[in-house]
Amino acid sequence: GAVVSQHPSWVICKSGTSVKIECRSLDFQATTMFWYRQFPKQSLMLMATSNEGSKATYEQGVEKDKFLINHASLTLSTLTVTSAHPEDSSFYICSARDGLAGPGWAQYFGPGTRLLVL
Amino acid sequence: AQTVTQSQPEMSVQEAETVTLSCTYDTSESNYYLFWYKQPPSRQMILVIRQEAYKQQNATENRFSVNFQKAAKSFSLKISDSQLGDTAMYFCAFMNPNTGNQFYFGTGTSLTVIP
Repeated sequence: GAVVSQHPSWVICKSGTSVKIECRSLDFQATTMFWYRQFPKQSLMLMATSNEGSKATYEQGVEKDKFLINHASLTLSTLTVTSAHPEDSSFYICSARDGLAGPGWAQYFGPGTRLLVL
Repeated sequence: AQTVTQSQPEMSVQEAETVTLSCTYDTSESNYYLFWYKQPPSRQMILVIRQEAYKQQNATENRFSVNFQKAAKSFSLKISDSQLGDTAMYFCAFMNPNTGNQFYFGTGTSLTVIP
């Protein structure tokens, strides 16, 4: 089955630093990837949609200069949290869609990355 | 963004019993997909069941079935013969394939199966 990995699974950083989170599709070509944010005991909130080779589309209220998304290849998307602050501490989840061969509805979720900003 | 509402923040059920989780959504679209996802303590999202809006027949997957009421914009999940491994957060999700395939999730229901 389709597998999506995220790296790192856990990251702690100091306030003001930048953190990069990777999302990889291991056995399929992800034409589209999605990034979500989940606070404790809350739902997944869609942050942005990225299509390979083009700029990401951000949901209303998400700061694109703070959450930089790059989808430079069909197997890798990165989310960079710039100048992280404690309020950015959250669980970040990516999902990937195989737009070339998979059914339209199928998206595969990564295991998530827990970010703690001190 | 689409609105998906789950009105039951927490529920519990005795092992082997049946439980129903509720979900309503708001859309003007006629073609869309609805999903139930399970998120256990590991936080890995697991697809439980999906429903295509154009299909009148309710989807079923083993012990899991849905009651899809399109006119009422309601999509409930029934879990039969509940098992301890069913303990998890359950999220209802909406996807419109015509506007980018984004998923919009409900607020979630925390289900506890009691031995």
